[in-house]
Amino acid sequence: ELKVEQNPLFLSMQEGKNYTIYCNYSTTSDRLYWYRQDPGKSLESLFVLLSNGAVKQEGRLMASLDTKARLSTLHITAAVHDLSATYFCAVEYGGSQGNLIFGKGTKLSVKP
Amino acid sequence: DTGVSQDPRHKITKRGQNVTFRCDPISEHNRLYWYRQTLGQGPEFLTYFQNEAQLEKSRLLSDRFSAERPKGSFSTLEIQRTEQGDSAMYLCASSLGTYTDTQYFGPGTRLTVL
Repeated sequence: ELKVEQNPLFLSMQEGKNYTIYCNYSTTSDRLYWYRQDPGKSLESLFVLLSNGAVKQEGRLMASLDTKARLSTLHITAAVHDLSATYFCAVEYGGSQGNLIFGKGTKLSVKP
Repeated sequence: DTGVSQDPRHKITKRGQNVTFRCDPISEHNRLYWYRQTLGQGPEFLTYFQNEAQLEKSRLLSDRFSAERPKGSFSTLEIQRTEQGDSAMYLCASSLGTYTDTQYFGPGTRLTVL
């Protein structure tokens, strides 16, 4: 059974600082996704990572994938308050392109 | 607005009642997914459709749950004889079914079972 673990689950950081969220998964998968969720809202797609060594960047967020280590990272550069949200990684299970297994999420709070 | 829409956004019901939720996917998307999310957790997969065919069902989807997508467009999720443990946010997502296959989520239906 595929398990997806994120850490940390809670992250409080100051504006301007850098930090990394980690996503480990237990079995081989071809696709890894990062989503953002604001309180009371639905999920917004951030990145799709499809191959080993894939790196994608959007603004202050950069995601990478190491399929051999079964690890993805979401790096935050010079955090700003607007990045406060919960971030989920999700891994496709069994190559079915249907069943995404989500981590528990990392609740990020950026304080001035 | 061409995103995924869900109706209703909130539903309060009494234990034992039946409820039905609707999801309208992005128009050209042939895949449609249902997830359930409880407080402080990530979404949990329930089921998905390729056009009108239901291709996968999670073991979370007990006999009280049924989903349909009769014409390959909108979908309904029905919960019969609701229980308090069914209280959750029910999320619908759709995708094109391409290699990158990003799932786009709707706003969700929040179910409260009293």
